[in-house]
Amino acid sequence: NAGVTQTPKFQVLKTGQSMTLQCAQDMNHNSMYWYRQDPGMGLRLIYYSASEGTTDKGEVPNGYNVSRLNKREFSLRLESAAPSQTSVYFCASSAGGAENEKLFFGSGTQLSVL
Amino acid sequence: GQSLEQPSEVTAVEGAIVQINCTYQTSGFYGLSWYQQHDGGAPTFLSYNALDGLEETGRFSSFLSRSDSYGYLLLQELQMKDSASYFCAPSKGDKLIFGTGTRLQVFP
Repeated sequence: NAGVTQTPKFQVLKTGQSMTLQCAQDMNHNSMYWYRQDPGMGLRLIYYSASEGTTDKGEVPNGYNVSRLNKREFSLRLESAAPSQTSVYFCASSAGGAENEKLFFGSGTQLSVL
Repeated sequence: GQSLEQPSEVTAVEGAIVQINCTYQTSGFYGLSWYQQHDGGAPTFLSYNALDGLEETGRFSSFLSRSDSYGYLLLQELQMKDSASYFCAPSKGDKLIFGTGTRLQVFP
């Protein structure tokens, strides 16, 4: 049981480049989330998916797109990276319903945009 | 609108008790969760209060008062390994909104 797996762990991009962060969970969870964490800013929700086939914006969605490919996978895409997107990105999942508040996090992706 | 406040830093010695407060103003609020994050690591779930009152899990307890828009995390018998950041997170619908976190430093 791997839990929540994120790839890559580290990435360096040049301004304007695109990339996709991958996330997969093997816990049969309904809900999945993407957060970013900046120093002193805590965790901010980018997008979330309450169930397969649905996605919704969080607090800071601008500059990002997501795809809930199936129940297991939830990817985050940066179409044209900007230095302001330098951050640590965390994917998370939860069972939903009465267990919705218990999130399981991946190990994070350290992204630097130059 | 929504706002969330936690102290930025708390220090304590091993064996002591520390309380981390969380005040919030969030519309459509359902309950309050707490997460722990060690430096360089991912957040991990500690507790969730769906109702007013105290929830106890080993050395950690969490309290919620909806009428006061206030909650706290109580850590007892502090150990060095408790040095970490602690986040409160009100739940709103299908999502959690995290505060900026409280950095706890435990000294020997």
